[in-house]
Formats: sequence, structure tokens, C-alpha cells
Amino acid sequence: NAGVTQTPKFRILKIGQSMTLQCTQDMNHNYMYWYRQDPGMGLKLIYYSVGAGITDKGEVPNGYNVSRSTTEDFPLRLELAAPSQTSVYFCASSYYGGRANQETQYFGPGTRLLVL
Amino acid sequence: DQQVKQNSPSLSVQEGRISILNCDYTNSMFDYFLWYKKYPAEGPTFLISISSIKDKNEDGRFTVFLNKSAKHLSLHIVPSQPGDSAVYFCAASVWNNAGNMLTFGGGTRLMVKP
Repeated sequence: NAGVTQTPKFRILKIGQSMTLQCTQDMNHNYMYWYRQDPGMGLKLIYYSVGAGITDKGEVPNGYNVSRSTTEDFPLRLELAAPSQTSVYFCASSYYGGRANQETQYFGPGTRLLVL
Repeated sequence: DQQVKQNSPSLSVQEGRISILNCDYTNSMFDYFLWYKKYPAEGPTFLISISSIKDKNEDGRFTVFLNKSAKHLSLHIVPSQPGDSAVYFCAASVWNNAGNMLTFGGGTRLMVKP
């Protein structure tokens, strides 16, 4: 049971390049999330998904896209990288079975992205 | 507009003493509060939580206190150990149809000196 895995661990992008950050969980969780953490700041929600085929915007979605074709995978796409997207990105998952039956979020180790 | 604030970016404590980490929030609709711990180059891990219907929750060396009238919660670690050195994030949520969306504070770096 690996939990939540993220690849790559670190990446340098040039302005305007695109890339996909991968996230996989093996806990059969229905909910998945993408956060970014800027230095000295808390985690901000980019996108989330409540199940395969269903995604929605979080607090800071601009410049990103997501898809959820399977329960396990929730990739985050950056189409035109900008220096403002330099950050550490965390993927998380949780089981949600209604208000009385929910688990906390489990986080992956993060992807450090530098856009130059 | 930060709805969850941790006003102390860092805290240094001697091993064996009590560590008190504080968190303030502004949204009175928050009904669930959590603390996460984060080591360098790792993702945050869940530490302890408290529902808004309680004012205290204890788990071993960790206790979270909630003061709803003051919109304030705190995490007490007793006794503090060097392995507790990490960044601690306070988070809050309000239930809606989309589930349990978390709002995080900026974190407090705790250093426990041997």
C-alpha cells in the first residue's frame, strides 16, 4: 500500500512550456485534491475531484487543468508555465461517505516546480 | 482575505517542555478543525482534529483546544521531543455538498532543542 504517489519530485520548466504532474492513490479514495504551497504560505486548493469523471475548481485554478478518468489517477496539467506557478504542488486523497463518514486527507510527498 | 491564520511563523522550545501552537479563524461557519504536521520534502500528515461541538480533544502527547467564541484553537504538545520539530499547519473546513474542503493557515515552524 503506497498511499499517494507523485511524479516527478522536481522539475524546472521554461516560461511557456507545458507539463503534467502525476498523482496516483491506491486507497480507493473517491475524493482527490491538488494544492500548491508557496513559501511561508499555507496550502491553497487548485482543483478537486469527487469521483471519476467529476472535477471542480478550487481557490486558485487559473493556469491549470485536471482530469479524472479513473479512481486512482488525478493528473494536473500546466499548459503555459509562468514564473508565478513556481511552487510546491501536493496531491491528496480522502474517502468521503457523507458527513458522518469521512476521512482526513492523505497527502503525497509533493512536486517542486521551478519556472524560469 | 486569510480565513485561517497562524500568526507565529516559528517557535522554539526546549525538549521536555510544552509547545503551544496557535491558530485563529474568521469564518464562523467552520465546523471541523485539523492540525497537520509536515517534515521537509514530505507531504503533510494528519495529526489531530476537533469538531466544533467539542472544546478539547486529546491524543497522547497532543491536545487541541477550541474556543469558538474567540475563533481560536491551539495545539499543545507535552512533553515536546526533538522529533516534533516540523512545520505545523492548522486547517478548517465547512461541510457542503462537495465534501470536506480544507482551508489552511500559513504554518508554524516548531524547533525542539535537545
